[in-house]
Amino acid sequence: DGGITQSPKYLFRKEGQNVTLSCEQNLNHDAMYWYRQDPGQGLRLIYYSQIVNDFQKGDIAEGYSVSREKKESFPLTVTSAQKNPTAFYLCASSNRAAEKLFFGSGTQLSVL
Amino acid sequence: GIQVEQSPPDLILQEGANSTLRCNFSDSVNNLQWFHQNPWGQLINLFYIPSGTKQNGRLSATTVATERYSLLYISSSQTTDSGVYFCAVEVDSGYALNFGKGTSLLVTP
Repeated sequence: DGGITQSPKYLFRKEGQNVTLSCEQNLNHDAMYWYRQDPGQGLRLIYYSQIVNDFQKGDIAEGYSVSREKKESFPLTVTSAQKNPTAFYLCASSNRAAEKLFFGSGTQLSVL
Repeated sequence: GIQVEQSPPDLILQEGANSTLRCNFSDSVNNLQWFHQNPWGQLINLFYIPSGTKQNGRLSATTVATERYSLLYISSSQTTDSGVYFCAVEVDSGYALNFGKGTSLLVTP
């Protein structure tokens, strides 16, 4: 089945630790996105990529990093510089930039 | 940046009732989409509707781009319609969607 797979579903981070969230899609989509959702809030854009080996910062990129070495994969690293990382992280993809968006099932990140 | 305002923020309905959710935006947009987030966090794309009207079963949506608003209609609501409904817009081509804060809907039996 075609879709977007995020892993892990739950992740715990210790202080000072970097953690990486995985996002893989087999929809052959060019564009991929990372959003952060805090309780009771809408989604805020962290990073997006329209093509392999290229990505742009969104509204809240500080403390995060990404790579886009393959079309299917867009991992997000939450670095120790992100002081408030507890949130629900959603990965999405679309055929072209901001066309109809499809989402993964999300990763809940918590701090120990 | 563009402001996306959704109303009402919360809504409780009895099964079988109809409802209208509204999305106002502060600038011209190239793209507008409606999403449903279920209680387990999964987001489903309901409509890609930068202008005009679309229908999909019990759901329909209308965007009046010149007046900067969109409406999502839910008819004969069911408990499975519960969750949060988000409106998202794109201002500049090739950028990404900006989301509103959502309308939280609870449909009771």
